[in-house]
Amino acid sequence: DSGVTQTPKHLITATGQRVTLRCSPRSGDLSVYWYQQSLDQGLQFLIQYYNGEERAKGNILERFSAQQFPDLHSELNLSSLELGDSALYFCASSGLTGGTEAFFGQGTRLTVV
Amino acid sequence: AQKITQTQPGMFVQEKEAVTLDCTYDTSDPSYGLFWYKQPSSGEMIFLIYQGSYDQQNATEGRYSLNFQKARKSANLVISASQLGDSAMYFCAMRESGFSGGYNKLIFGAGTRLAVHP
Repeated sequence: DSGVTQTPKHLITATGQRVTLRCSPRSGDLSVYWYQQSLDQGLQFLIQYYNGEERAKGNILERFSAQQFPDLHSELNLSSLELGDSALYFCASSGLTGGTEAFFGQGTRLTVV
Repeated sequence: AQKITQTQPGMFVQEKEAVTLDCTYDTSDPSYGLFWYKQPSSGEMIFLIYQGSYDQQNATEGRYSLNFQKARKSANLVISASQLGDSAMYFCAMRESGFSGGYNKLIFGAGTRLAVHP
């Protein structure tokens, strides 16, 4: 158990819809990262939050947004979903162990139909 | 720009033998960390091993060791005494130096699929 909790594990939704993915980092970790893993793009960094503030942005679409709350959990919002958004979305956290480890949640498998 | 290259899309090995998974990286930052992850068919990302750019010795974690050759910018993963349960996708990743109080994102290679045969 990595200590990073993601919900839900699976999500099936229709095109055009909006979904929210949730992540609780390991206790004490201030940084949360979101990654997307698709068959054609591999593992891509989307966005990082550090202690409630956006820290870095990767290849995140404008239809996607995220935030980190005061209790440090984070949510990734995906809107106007397209078939190509189907992927495994991971949340990771780091900070407590001095950067020598980075722990991932179990991922949310999103299927857009 | 930082980049991770894994040139072996697939590898196979006989059970109980050792296998090396290749990883080369590119960065201009003198301070960085290298990670290896295992992703079984169930999908989760399992952290295996870490090597810091200033570490003098190669990292080891049980049956996993990292062959770190800094001048060649390579960080190969060696799995000794392969087991059937080692069959999975393996990703090499890199993180450049952090910021005050925190750490930057990971950049991943394309991965190597390892099949362990009985």
